Amino acid sequence: QVQLQGSGPGLVKPSETLSLTCTVSGGSVTSYYWSWLRQPPGNGLEWIGYVNYNGNTNYNPSLKSRVRMSIETSKNQFSLTLTSVTAADTAVYYCARLGVQGLIGHAYYHSLDVWGQGTTVTVS
Amino acid sequence: DIVMTQSPLSLAVTPGEPASISCRSSQSLLHSNGHHYLDWYLQKPGQSPQLLIYSTSNRASGVPDRFSGSGSGTDFTLKITRVEAEDVGVYYCMQTLQTRTFGQGTKVEIK
Repeated sequence: QVQLQGSGPGLVKPSETLSLTCTVSGGSVTSYYWSWLRQPPGNGLEWIGYVNYNGNTNYNPSLKSRVRMSIETSKNQFSLTLTSVTAADTAVYYCARLGVQGLIGHAYYHSLDVWGQGTTVTVS
Repeated sequence: DIVMTQSPLSLAVTPGEPASISCRSSQSLLHSNGHHYLDWYLQKPGQSPQLLIYSTSNRASGVPDRFSGSGSGTDFTLKITRVEAEDVGVYYCMQTLQTRTFGQGTKVEIK
């Protein structure tokens, strides 16, 4: 059973760079697409983007200029970097797997089917 | 961005009674393949979200059959036939047709 464990600093200073890592166990990072999302305190969920096994990425346009995602196959990890952070970036950050749920209309349909426990990051 | 709007924002349900949550998108979620690209997630208290329904009406692995999804175009519904205590939490719809966006969430509590 695939499990995800997010890790990283819980406190980041304004204007600095937030870096988080998600370690995959029970499966290989070289399969699937791997995602990051966040949830500000008391608020809903925001999609940040994904990185796939080839290192290809897709980012939320609202964050695209500040986001970078990558995969480290030797460590079975994937990571998130967010630059120039402000208080608005304070949130619980989730890593998640975009897994294939089935063939829908002759196309593979991907959903967020495995989630990490969430990493709380405060910008202050 | 596609804006997702859920209603109601909170819901108190008696165990054993049905519940229904509505999700409306600012534009059609119909893909060129003829299917609608909408998922439902449940975030139980203190936990990470979990997948309930994908592509409008397909239950994810291990999800009880009391959960069902339906809808088309811009209007979608999640129904629980008989609410159980373990169903409490915040339910989110999420469109996957374009850059993924979520509804605000619907908090379900037990009366």
